[in-house]
Amino acid sequence: AQSVAQPEDQVNVAEGNPLTVKCTYSVSGNPYLFWYVQYPNRGLQFLLKYITGDNLVKGSYGFEAEFNKSQTSFHLKKPSALVSDSALYFCAVRDARAARQLTFGSGTQLTVLP
Amino acid sequence: EPEVTQTPSHQVTQMGQEVILRCVPISNHLYFYWYRQILGQKVEFLVSFYNNEISEKSEIFDDQFSVERPDGSNFTLKIRSTKLEDSAMYFCASKGGGGPTDTQYFGPGTRLTVL
Repeated sequence: AQSVAQPEDQVNVAEGNPLTVKCTYSVSGNPYLFWYVQYPNRGLQFLLKYITGDNLVKGSYGFEAEFNKSQTSFHLKKPSALVSDSALYFCAVRDARAARQLTFGSGTQLTVLP
Repeated sequence: EPEVTQTPSHQVTQMGQEVILRCVPISNHLYFYWYRQILGQKVEFLVSFYNNEISEKSEIFDDQFSVERPDGSNFTLKIRSTKLEDSAMYFCASKGGGGPTDTQYFGPGTRLTVL
């Protein structure tokens, strides 16, 4: 079975400060990890994914995520937050050996304060 | 940039009624999915569809649910007799290739409200 945990329901950060949205996962095989963002009244937009290779993955809008196998984590980061980054962020995992569907975390609401 | 579209954006129905949620996946994609998100809860997988048949479904996807690709562009989710607990946001997604590393692209969702 595959699962994802996002331990923080809400993250607040001041504009210009670095942000981190946490994600940990559990899979029996190798993980494929994804971050999606959901703006109000919009669908899930793909941000980035980790498949293999370099542990630091760069994605859209200046976001990046670091895969840490020993800590089974895939935290989303951005060096300098923008007010427009305020949204709901979802981490998702797919077991490389398992089914085709994604398993999502519960989501983290990021609020960037001006 | 091509995107997944869904209609309607909001559907209100009476308990026991049938609803059909519609999706137009990205045009050259071959793998299609439905997920749902009950308010305040996780996004949950419902079903995946490839080559005109269901390839996988979750325990949520019971006999009340069905999917269809009636033509070359649409992908539909039908709920035969809606229940109050079916109220949720329903997301369609599509994927181009069959590899596990391929990215699923999601539509904006249909908010279903069952009264």
